[in-house]
Amino acid sequence: GESVGLHLPTLSVQEGDNSIINCAYSNSASDYFIWYKQESGKGPQFIIDIRSNMDKRQGQRVTVLLNKTVKHLSLQIAATQPGDSAVYFCAENMEGGKLIFGQGTELSVKP
Amino acid sequence: GAGVSQSPRYKVAKRGQDVALRCDPISGHVSLFWYQQALGQGPEFLTYFQNEAQLDKSGLPSDRFFAERPEGSVSTLKIQRTQQEDSAVYLCASSSGLGAYEQYFGPGTRLTVT
Repeated sequence: GESVGLHLPTLSVQEGDNSIINCAYSNSASDYFIWYKQESGKGPQFIIDIRSNMDKRQGQRVTVLLNKTVKHLSLQIAATQPGDSAVYFCAENMEGGKLIFGQGTELSVKP
Repeated sequence: GAGVSQSPRYKVAKRGQDVALRCDPISGHVSLFWYQQALGQGPEFLTYFQNEAQLDKSGLPSDRFFAERPEGSVSTLKIQRTQQEDSAVYLCASSSGLGAYEQYFGPGTRLTVT
């Protein structure tokens, strides 16, 4: 069936380094993708999104790259800070707006 | 402005009890979604509403799960005869449009069935 999955379940980086979190999706018809950050005890928080007519989108310290050829998404966080420590999910928007989430990558930032 | 709120934040139920989980979406948001998140997993879609109409309930795990949004604002997710496998965080999200719009999530209700 359709699925969105992540390559790495955990990622540990040094404060100040750049982080890259990867995600693969399987539905080639998907046209909207979102990255969420979830801290312990909280709901997912929107970080950045991208539509299929783009291959790159930048926000504040974050960049999302979309490679439709290989059905791959990545989230890049520049100058990672301790406050970035959380679980990151990619999500694929399906018909009607429902989201299909991947399993998540836990990002740990070492001071 | 206020975000999405959910109540209660924590609920402990004995197996076989019925529970009701409430979601207050952002005012004016047309779409409302329910997700179930098991420990260490990503959220899984349960159902969604466009105003008061439930357009997709394909993710509800069994007929013990029931959701409603009678006036197109507040929504309630009800679980009858709770089972241990129902233990999870139940997340509600709302969005201002239909389809590919940003969804704003509430903090979730953590349900523990003993």
